[in-house]
Amino acid sequence: DAKTTQPNSMESNEEEPVHLPCNHSTISGTDYIHWYRQLPSQGPEYVIHGLTSNVNNRMASLAIAEDRKSSTLILHRATLRDAAVYYCILRGPFRGSARQLTFGSGTQLTVLP
Amino acid sequence: KAGVTQTPRYLIKTRGQQVTLSCSPISGHRSVSWYQQTPGQGLQFLFEYFSETQRNKGNFPGRFSGRQFSNSRSEMNVSTLELGDSALYLCASSPQTTGAAVEEQFFGPGTRLTVL
Repeated sequence: DAKTTQPNSMESNEEEPVHLPCNHSTISGTDYIHWYRQLPSQGPEYVIHGLTSNVNNRMASLAIAEDRKSSTLILHRATLRDAAVYYCILRGPFRGSARQLTFGSGTQLTVLP
Repeated sequence: KAGVTQTPRYLIKTRGQQVTLSCSPISGHRSVSWYQQTPGQGLQFLFEYFSETQRNKGNFPGRFSGRQFSNSRSEMNVSTLELGDSALYLCASSPQTTGAAVEEQFFGPGTRLTVL
């Protein structure tokens, strides 16, 4: 599986935008970029995914570099409830063992009041 | 729609015992995956079940096993517990109506297992 690299931790002030980076230089042309987050004492939850174009949903935006070797999850106005570990995960078409999510160490986001 | 539920939420066992954890997926979801989360190893995939068959398995010893019932509910079992099995065990379900590349997995709150 292609590997992703994320910073271990980031801090943000409440109500300010947050840009969480992810590098995936070995991404293949059919890999989608997914983001999950895990709030304290909860299971991970899906945030957003994309292939080539930037994507927006009610939770966040995903900006994908033109060469697809990196992406950025954007939280437009961070709240205290956004404090979580954010995971960037690549998912390709089903190829036997490809269905599971392969989690890296993620980025611990701290939101300061 | 109810989310993924896991029971029990907390469990304390002693070394050598066995344990069974239960997971009820979201109604209509046919795939159930199990993950182990520890501070040292992070989130690791255990196995996935679909239509009562184990479809994929992670790199865990044979002491870890699971099954899925006809109603898609799943159980995982750990025999001869070791101290290192202390972890948060997470279950995730997905509908399997789209390709894996775009499929969202829905996680339960997990079962916190402590082995003494």
